[in-house]
Amino acid sequence: QVQLVQSGAEVKKPGASVKVSCKASGYTFTGYFMHWVRQAPGQGLEWMGWINLNSGGTNYAQKFQGWVTMTRDTSISTAYMELSRLRSDDTAVYYCARDSATVTTPYFDYWGQGTLVSVPS
Amino acid sequence: QSALTQPASVSGSPGQSITISCTGTSSDVGGYNYVSWYQQHPGKAPKLMIYDVSNRPSGVSTRFSGSKSGNTASLTISGLQAEDEADYYCSSYTSSSRVFGGGTKLTVL
Repeated sequence: QVQLVQSGAEVKKPGASVKVSCKASGYTFTGYFMHWVRQAPGQGLEWMGWINLNSGGTNYAQKFQGWVTMTRDTSISTAYMELSRLRSDDTAVYYCARDSATVTTPYFDYWGQGTLVSVPS
Repeated sequence: QSALTQPASVSGSPGQSITISCTGTSSDVGGYNYVSWYQQHPGKAPKLMIYDVSNRPSGVSTRFSGSKSGNTASLTISGLQAEDEADYYCSSYTSSSRVFGGGTKLTVL
């Protein structure tokens, strides 16, 4: 069965960087895109961008361009999201979500369990 | 890219039906039949409920249905049950990116 397992919670200082991992299993890793979505406490979902797990190509939301980097390691079926220059308002749960677009149409069919990143002010 | 517009909250009694709207533009909701809906219980990851406007994934109750007219998509839940109380988010494809609605909190009275 498809599973996306994310790394554990992080506490970071303002100005630092954080790298969240998302290990996939149960399907052909490079056959899909992976998106990253975040959710601040008590707020809605915010789309951050995607990575083509085959080519490594990326597309970031305009808001995050220049300070998010999405990568992958195909040898261990793991996608990564790194956010730099953290601020207190980056405190959120970060989710990875598999995109079905390469096999059917674009929607998020599987989600990771989420990773809480806290940036105390 | 602006978020899609959803009502902040809706409520209904057990057995009733409710509808949640999701309004976008011709660049997202109105331009593609790629609207999806997600259910999120507190502390949990979102779960896909509807894709491609009106399709249900395997395992999702037939009480959930979706539709679209112009720039507005809708999620209808019939025969409300206590377990349906959750936050609901719409999402649309838009020129190789994605956009979410602000979310709607469903309360089952």
